[in-house]
Amino acid sequence: DTAVSQTPKYLVTQMGNDKSIKCEQNLGHDTMYWYKQDSKKFLKIMFSYNNKELIINETVPNRFSPKSPDKAHLNLHINSLELGDSAVYFCASRRAGQGLYEQYFGPGTRLTVT
Amino acid sequence: KNEVEQSPQNLTAQEGEFITINCSYSVGISALHWLQQHPGGGIVSLFMLSSGKKKHGRLIATINIQEKHSSLHITASHPRDSAVYICAVQPNTGNQFYFGTGTSLTVIP
Repeated sequence: DTAVSQTPKYLVTQMGNDKSIKCEQNLGHDTMYWYKQDSKKFLKIMFSYNNKELIINETVPNRFSPKSPDKAHLNLHINSLELGDSAVYFCASRRAGQGLYEQYFGPGTRLTVT
Repeated sequence: KNEVEQSPQNLTAQEGEFITINCSYSVGISALHWLQQHPGGGIVSLFMLSSGKKKHGRLIATINIQEKHSSLHITASHPRDSAVYICAVQPNTGNQFYFGTGTSLTVIP
């Protein structure tokens, strides 16, 4: 059973389009994350979300918006895609709180904007 | 300046060598994580540490909270250890994580 799943795995689209990436976790976790990994493999947090609080990295353009229909899902919507949005996007989840809780990552979605 | 610094950035080793990857951080933390990412692959968690030392097979992770430093060691390295190793810290407050830039390890047969 996949703990954290993302769809699609690959996404190729043109500049200016709007797209969504879906993320689902079946671990019963309260906190989910979206990360962007650039070509140099640097992971940067975009959003962290638990069912009460959304924390947005202030450097993330407002073209990116997380949508959480329920605790198990955190989807990423991107409007007016730009070339610089090309990257691998990872979703992750963990139990909420400051305890020693492991973070589980999805397989990633490779977004290519042409 | 990044809150988490890793070294080296790239590392090539012969099969069988002992490998050390270092991580230094500048914030107060509740935990430190070592992650592994194989080429084209997903990210898996290797260790979570808040103090001392942990060992899984040929992998050993240590942390010195006072010095804000952690090391990941691989004994008897093997080509299948070739991957990017990422250090991540969990600050004392909030749900944020800060990541190092990763160490790309290549183990040559």
